Amino acid sequence: DTAVSQTPKYLVTQMGNDKSIKCEQNLGHDTMYWYKQDSKKFLKIMFSYNNKELIINETVPNRFSPKSPDKAHLNLHINSLELGDSAVYFCASSQLAGEQFFGPGTRLTVL
Amino acid sequence: ELKVEQNPLFLSMQEGKNYTIYCNYSTTSDRLYWYRQDPGKSLESLFVLLSNGAVKQEGRLMASLDTKARLSTLHITAAVHDLSATYFCAVQETSGSRLTFGEGTQLTVNP
Repeated sequence: DTAVSQTPKYLVTQMGNDKSIKCEQNLGHDTMYWYKQDSKKFLKIMFSYNNKELIINETVPNRFSPKSPDKAHLNLHINSLELGDSAVYFCASSQLAGEQFFGPGTRLTVL
Repeated sequence: ELKVEQNPLFLSMQEGKNYTIYCNYSTTSDRLYWYRQDPGKSLESLFVLLSNGAVKQEGRLMASLDTKARLSTLHITAAVHDLSATYFCAVQETSGSRLTFGEGTQLTVNP
C-alpha cells in the first residue's frame, strides 16, 4: 500500500565506498525527485526525472548519479562517499507539476 | 533564484494559545505547499494553495496565500501538544515542478 517507498531506510558506510538508494512509487506519477535534508533540516532538491528524462539537475557533485529505469523507479548512486554526504535523502513523486508526495527517507551516515 | 524564508524558525508555545508562522518568498508564484515533519519521519502534506487569496483549514491549522505580497501564513488556533513538529513551506516555480523549501519552523507546544 505504500505510495512512495525507499530502500534502505538506514545506510552506514565508510568513506570512499560506493552506495545506492532505491525509490519506487505506485501512484502512477510521471515525475520523481531526489531531495537532500541536511543536519539543520534544510531540504534541497537534487534531481528530477519526468518519464525517465532528467529535467532538474542541481549543482551537486558528479559523484551523485541518478538513474530512472522506468517512470515508477528512481535510484541514486553515490560514488566515493565523503563525510559531508551524511544526510537524509528523500525521494518524492508527483503528476507533472502537481503536489509532491515524499518517501520515508534514507538516513545515510558516512564514517 | 527563488528564495523562501520562514519565521520564526523556533516557536515554543503553550497549549491553548494561538500563533502564526510566516512564509515569504522572493519571486512570482501562485503555488505553495505546507508540510509537516515529525522527528525521524517523512514530510506529510498539510495544505496545497494554488491561487491568490486561497485559504484552507484543517482542524486547528489554517493556511492562506497572498501572491501579491508573496506571503503565506500558517495559523495555529488553540495549540495542542500533538501539533509539535517542524513545519515547512515550499514554493513551486511558475513554470516547472521545482520546489524551494523554507528553513522550517520547529514548533514545540508545552502543556
